[in-house]
Amino acid sequence: GDSVTQMEGPVTLSEEACLTINCTYTATGYPSLFWYVQYPGEGLQLLLKATKADDKGSNKGFEATYRKETTSFHLEKGSVQVSDSAVYFCALTAYGNKLVFGAGTILRVKS
Amino acid sequence: DAGVIQSPRHEVTEMGQEVTLRCKPISGHDYLFWYRQTMMRGLELLIYFNNNVPIDDSGMPEDRFSAKMPNASFSTLKIQPSEPRDSAVYFCASRGRGDTQYFGPGTRLTVL
Repeated sequence: GDSVTQMEGPVTLSEEACLTINCTYTATGYPSLFWYVQYPGEGLQLLLKATKADDKGSNKGFEATYRKETTSFHLEKGSVQVSDSAVYFCALTAYGNKLVFGAGTILRVKS
Repeated sequence: DAGVIQSPRHEVTEMGQEVTLRCKPISGHDYLFWYRQTMMRGLELLIYFNNNVPIDDSGMPEDRFSAKMPNASFSTLKIQPSEPRDSAVYFCASRGRGDTQYFGPGTRLTVL
């Protein structure tokens, strides 16, 4: 079945450091790929998405590129802030219905 | 626009009691999803509806769980009887055109 694998956390960075959270997937067909963010005590918010190969999703300084050849969708940000501290989930959906999530990666940013 | 609304935000109950979680999807969205989040199993899809009709309930853990969607603006997830292992955060999400699901704030359920 479809699956998503994320790098394990927690990831601890100093403010203004570069961030990469790795995400790889296994899926039949051509899934859409997502990054969701969950701040403490809140629900999941869509951060960015990409629907086909070579698409780049971007939002709030975060970006990720849909790489079909490596089945990856790594999340990157050039300079993190304390307010970026949250849990980040990579997810896919093949037909727009069942979202398959990775385990989540905790990001902690220190000032 | 209001997002997905869930109630209650927190629920504490005793084992054996009935629990009802509620969800109001985004107006105009015709898909509604119920997810459960636990430390051990992460985020799992329990059931989803299209136009108020249950399409896939294969994620519902057992017969103690049931979900209904009597109209386009309301859904319930019921657990009867509840057990301590049901303690989790339950999320509702809705989707319209396109493949992006929008999540509610969740209900944190604690079964003592």
